Amino acid sequence: GAVVSQHPSRVICKSGTSVKIECRSLDFQATTMFWYRQFPKQSLMLMATSNEGSKATYEQGVEKDKFLINHASLTLSTLTVTSAHPEDSSFYICSARGQPNTEAFFGQGTRLTVV
Amino acid sequence: QKEVEQNSGPLSVPEGAIASLNCTYSDRGSQSFFWYRQYSGKSPELIMFIYSNGDKEDGRFTAQLNKASQYVSLLIRDSQPSDSATYLCAVNMWDYGQNFVFGPGTRLSVLP
Repeated sequence: GAVVSQHPSRVICKSGTSVKIECRSLDFQATTMFWYRQFPKQSLMLMATSNEGSKATYEQGVEKDKFLINHASLTLSTLTVTSAHPEDSSFYICSARGQPNTEAFFGQGTRLTVV
Repeated sequence: QKEVEQNSGPLSVPEGAIASLNCTYSDRGSQSFFWYRQYSGKSPELIMFIYSNGDKEDGRFTAQLNKASQYVSLLIRDSQPSDSATYLCAVNMWDYGQNFVFGPGTRLSVLP
């Protein structure tokens, strides 16, 4: 399958700082990228959907000013967690899709710990 | 209303048996359906996708789709302990902007 690379895989940051997570599609052009958050033993929770060149569409309850998503090119999307707090500690996962109605491929995930 | 439902499990099967995982969805206009596997602490990986009614086989895996019943399933033949994971059903829903809606996942445990 296609390759989606997500970095960093793990990050520890201090409360109040910001963290940027990158998601790259390495061998295809991703017109749509999805960002998820997953707490231990819970289901994937979609945070936002971004289409290249457009503003991200956030799910209800997700603060767009706290979770900044940029999808400036067909191969790169970034998620910035601003003013992180311990409750933001989670597993963040991106996925990317080429064309509508086709499969999406997931990045490796980023485990964020805010101390 | 977007909705994809799965039994949360855990579903336990003995090694070598057939594991059957089921999924129902609410949007009758959905056109594409996906099964992902997620090991604990890892991100999901795509197992199969299916677009047409009927069966689609890939190795030990068979996906079955019945659009009239709004039902999709995944069969795993000759189950192995390494198949123990959470299996996620995903549906590309037209009434959700052709975006993915994931079910909550079914945890499968294959007992040696």
